[in-house]
Amino acid sequence: GQSLEQPSEVTAVEGAIVQINCTYQTSGFYGLSWYQQHDGGAPTFLSYNALDGLEETGRFSSFLSRSDSYGYLLLQELQMKDSASYFCAVRDTGSARQLTFGSGTQLTVLP
Amino acid sequence: DTAVSQTPKYLVTQMGNDKSIKCEQNLGHDTMYWYKQDSKKFLKIMFSYNNKELIINETVPNRFSPKSPDKAHLNLHINSLELGDSAVYFCASSQGRSLRNEQYFGPGTRLTVT
Repeated sequence: GQSLEQPSEVTAVEGAIVQINCTYQTSGFYGLSWYQQHDGGAPTFLSYNALDGLEETGRFSSFLSRSDSYGYLLLQELQMKDSASYFCAVRDTGSARQLTFGSGTQLTVLP
Repeated sequence: DTAVSQTPKYLVTQMGNDKSIKCEQNLGHDTMYWYKQDSKKFLKIMFSYNNKELIINETVPNRFSPKSPDKAHLNLHINSLELGDSAVYFCASSQGRSLRNEQYFGPGTRLTVT
């Protein structure tokens, strides 16, 4: 089976940097994904890490350490519109390529 | 152009009824999924469907049945609805061969069972 842990809530101010951690336990591992979901909206893909290290996409970066079964999403220059839920997810190693999601981290950005 | 669409957006029904949710994707993806998101925002895979291979999450009651008339459509039929089925249901799609397995989600269907 697979399980993921991430903090339930994080609060930060505009312009700040915030890091959302994710630890996972899996029977097999392909990679770690991150999704963003605004209230009332659909999850949208942010990033994917298959190898150790940092992947940068604009203000967002994602990090993975396979040996530690750990990853994080780093959001820089926070904006009000970044207030949303952020989910880490791992992919099943079987043919289904199903994703198992963490319980989500609600990020609130304050002015 | 809408990539993944679902209908209806809202569905209110009584216990015991049977209902269907439709999903269509125009991305040319070969894999489609159904997720259930509960009131605590926990997002759980229910089914994935790839090239006529159906993978069912073992915790899904057999009252739920996916039906795929073709590669672009994956509908969800629910029999004998129960109060606990109230949730938001998301359809998603991806290109199976893609290592990133980036999934594109539909807007969701909010199901309320009274």
